[in-house]
Amino acid sequence: SQQGEEDPQALSIQEGENATMNCSYKTSINNLQWYRQNSGRGLVHLILIRSNEREKHSGRLRVTLDTSKKSSSLLITASRAADTASYFCATGSGGSNYKLTFGKGTLLTVNP
Amino acid sequence: NAGVMQNPRHLVRRRGQEARLRCSPMKGHSHVYWYRQLPEEGLKFMVYLQKENIIDESGMPKERFSAEFPKEGPSILRIQQVVRGDSAAYFCASSPPTTAGTGSFNEQFFGPGTRLTVL
Repeated sequence: SQQGEEDPQALSIQEGENATMNCSYKTSINNLQWYRQNSGRGLVHLILIRSNEREKHSGRLRVTLDTSKKSSSLLITASRAADTASYFCATGSGGSNYKLTFGKGTLLTVNP
Repeated sequence: NAGVMQNPRHLVRRRGQEARLRCSPMKGHSHVYWYRQLPEEGLKFMVYLQKENIIDESGMPKERFSAEFPKEGPSILRIQQVVRGDSAAYFCASSPPTTAGTGSFNEQFFGPGTRLTVL
């Protein structure tokens, strides 16, 4: 399997519920990022967590990182229909971590 | 400040033709990255360029693909003699000049992508 694999592949919830997506990776990392991609659009950077951090918050987003298990989770609280999108985790390699490796993503559908 | 711009947004080519994809980075960004996204897949790194230099092309297929980022003008990803397997979305990202340190990170800002369809 590839670096940065998300699960589940698809998640369908009702508006107002929380959504949790997980990401596993294989090699050591300096940081891990989460991106959102709306259908047919480019990626939007959501949040970055460094390897020495365990949890990070940004608005309704909460990211955790467990380097011992090589996994991360993205929690979206109080979801909205506008959160419907694919969510990808990405790990960086190369100087300044420029070479991003993405998983296949989790397709989140938030039903109104 | 306009974001990363890519054109065309959609490109249709017949097998054997050439495809040219353009990317204009954000103002002040001197680093450009190209990624390819196959259907139902995540993005795959192709190449990293700075002005007039290819820094890392480890993700580029060895044949038919080339990229440039001239001193003036947009970055170009060129695919010669396209085949059906080249059908994908090609995304460009840009970032400002790099900061030092292995723990550093320069956020990459992505364009809307060019969707290439090879008939």
